[in-house]
Order: sequence, then structure tokens, then C-alpha cells
Amino acid sequence: QITLKESGPTVVKPTQTLTLTCTFSGFSLSTSGVAVAWIRQPPGKPLEWLALIYWDDDSRYSPSLKNRVAITKDTSRNQVVLTMTHMDPIDTGTYYCAHASFFYNPGMYSFGSFDYWGQGTLITVSS
Amino acid sequence: QTVVTQEPSLTVSPGETITLTCASNTGAVTRDFFPSWLQQIPGQAPRTLIYSISQTYFWTPARFSGSLLGGKSALTLSGAQPEDEAEYYCLLYYDGAWVFGGGTKLTVL
Repeated sequence: QITLKESGPTVVKPTQTLTLTCTFSGFSLSTSGVAVAWIRQPPGKPLEWLALIYWDDDSRYSPSLKNRVAITKDTSRNQVVLTMTHMDPIDTGTYYCAHASFFYNPGMYSFGSFDYWGQGTLITVSS
Repeated sequence: QTVVTQEPSLTVSPGETITLTCASNTGAVTRDFFPSWLQQIPGQAPRTLIYSISQTYFWTPARFSGSLLGGKSALTLSGAQPEDEAEYYCLLYYDGAWVFGGGTKLTVL
């Protein structure tokens, strides 16, 4: 059974750095074809993909946020950490982590889906 | 900037069929975008119903199906139920980046 849970501060001051941890179980991030993504959702607004880290430690970032965001993994602790610098009130929202599956086709892995999600954690940016 | 467009809102009567669509400003949506569809009930985390155009999970109700239609990704709900009232998001893959659509608020009335 795959589960994920986000943890971190509930309130962050403007200009501060946000650090969120995704703790998961039921899979290993060293297994080929597995990744973990971070997605956020401002109140009443659509989902926005932020970052993803692959089983081989490669990572991808949203072009609009790549200068502010970093994603790392600790395979032994089954955790993925997202850091976001220079937080602003517009960054307020629910932050989710999700398990991502990639399927092997001859010669390459192809994206499957964000198939398991954490419950999300609400982050408020306010002074 | 990549933009994924969905109908902002749709209404369907119980038992009727409705199709939601998802378009990309870069051109026709093809299998290379690995389109997926997510359902989000208010107050809950999203859950993926459809992936890779038309693949389903064990938790996907049989009344939901996915396809490519006229250069768009499509989610069809056949026989809408009151519990299907939710926000539906399309997700497209763009060579190492992922973009969600703006969502479709589906009302079952």
C-alpha cells in the first residue's frame, strides 16, 4: 500500500525559505520507474506542478519556478524534500507530494501518471 | 508559455453523458503528451482517474473513459451520478515538464 504525507511549517514569513518533507511508504525511490513530484494549489485555483525527482536522482523543475525551487531525496529515510526560496503571499496554498510512475518501453521510460497523492499541507505566507 | 485549456464549467443531468476536453496551445494533443485526468472533490486531494489517454485504475468507476478527440484529450462520463460532481483537471507532459489545465467544474443537476 502506497502512502505519502507532507510535513512542514504551516506559516512562513515573506522572503523566508520554505522546506517541506514528503515521507512515503509502500515503495522505494531507488526502484527504476519511480519518482516523486510536488504540486501546489492556491486557494480556489488550479493545480500547479512544481518539481519532480526520479529514481536515478535526476530532477525536473517548473520553468516559472526553477530559480526558487530545489528537490532532493533521502532514499534510506523514504523522504523527498522541497525547498522554495523567497516566499511571497502568492505562494500561499496547499502543497501536495505525489508518487509518479514511469513505464519501460524498449530503450526508454515513458510517463505514466501521478497515481498516489498525499493529503496535502496548507502553507500560509504572511508576516 | 505553455497553456492547457479546459471548459471552465459544465452541467450534466443525472444519468446523462458528457465529454470534457483538454487542449494545448502548442498544437494537437497526441499520445506523446501522455494525457491524464484527475478528479478533485472539494476539501480532498486530487486522484487520477485516467492516464496515458485511456488507461484506468482499479479505483476508476467504469463510467469514466478517456480518448483523443479532434486534437484534444477527452474525458467522457457515461451515466453521470451525483457523486461525480467535482473539479476535473487534465494533465499533459511536455518533454520533462508537466502542465495542469485550469480545471472543469462539473455540476450534476
